[in-house]
Amino acid sequence: DTGVSQNPRHKITKRGQNVTFRCDPISEHNRLYWYRQTLGQGPEFLTYFQNEAQLEKSRLLSDRFSAERPKGSFSTLEIQRTEQGDSAMYLCASSLGGPKNTEAFFGQGTRLTVV
Amino acid sequence: GEDVEQSLFLSVREGDSSVINCTYTDSSSTYLYWYKQEPGAGLQLLTYIFSNMDMKQDQRLTVLLNKKDKHLSLRIADTQTGDSAIYFCAESKGGATNKLIFGTGTLLAVQP
Repeated sequence: DTGVSQNPRHKITKRGQNVTFRCDPISEHNRLYWYRQTLGQGPEFLTYFQNEAQLEKSRLLSDRFSAERPKGSFSTLEIQRTEQGDSAMYLCASSLGGPKNTEAFFGQGTRLTVV
Repeated sequence: GEDVEQSLFLSVREGDSSVINCTYTDSSSTYLYWYKQEPGAGLQLLTYIFSNMDMKQDQRLTVLLNKKDKHLSLRIADTQTGDSAIYFCAESKGGATNKLIFGTGTLLAVQP
């Protein structure tokens, strides 16, 4: 296991189309996070899973966004009816959780361009 | 509220020390982190410090935390061209979610 894997690395889509991204966390990690990073900004938290349960969602996550982690392993992030403002880097991170496990490992991200 | 601020740009000569600064507003932050992001890459955790510490050293990296002033700094000794990247500080409260709140990032340019 070489780390957090995200696919695809790049996605170009037309406005109004739906897109889905996948994240494969480090295998024993029960915590999974999605962040969004726009140009010149730091990453912003979108949502968090502990195992298969989605425990927190940011208000940035509009109703066009949905995330799942059906078996507590990989996760998908879907954006419906994409808008130009959705263009960003979408980052996934995972961690072991627990009081002494504070390190989150990030994937290389999926860069979305909406044209 | 939660707000993390950093200066946008720092330029140093190779071999000099770099100091990247960060201020945060949430006094209940439990952990403070420094991440490095190279072009087209994800985020690499460099180091983190627990809020009851005031200093942590790890090889060329020294983290200083002034909790009273809510100020965090990262010092890189003997800066190399390979250190050129964007550096993000981040805070979290730990606990159930442990989500990270990131600053806007500081672009470090190392001149040969």
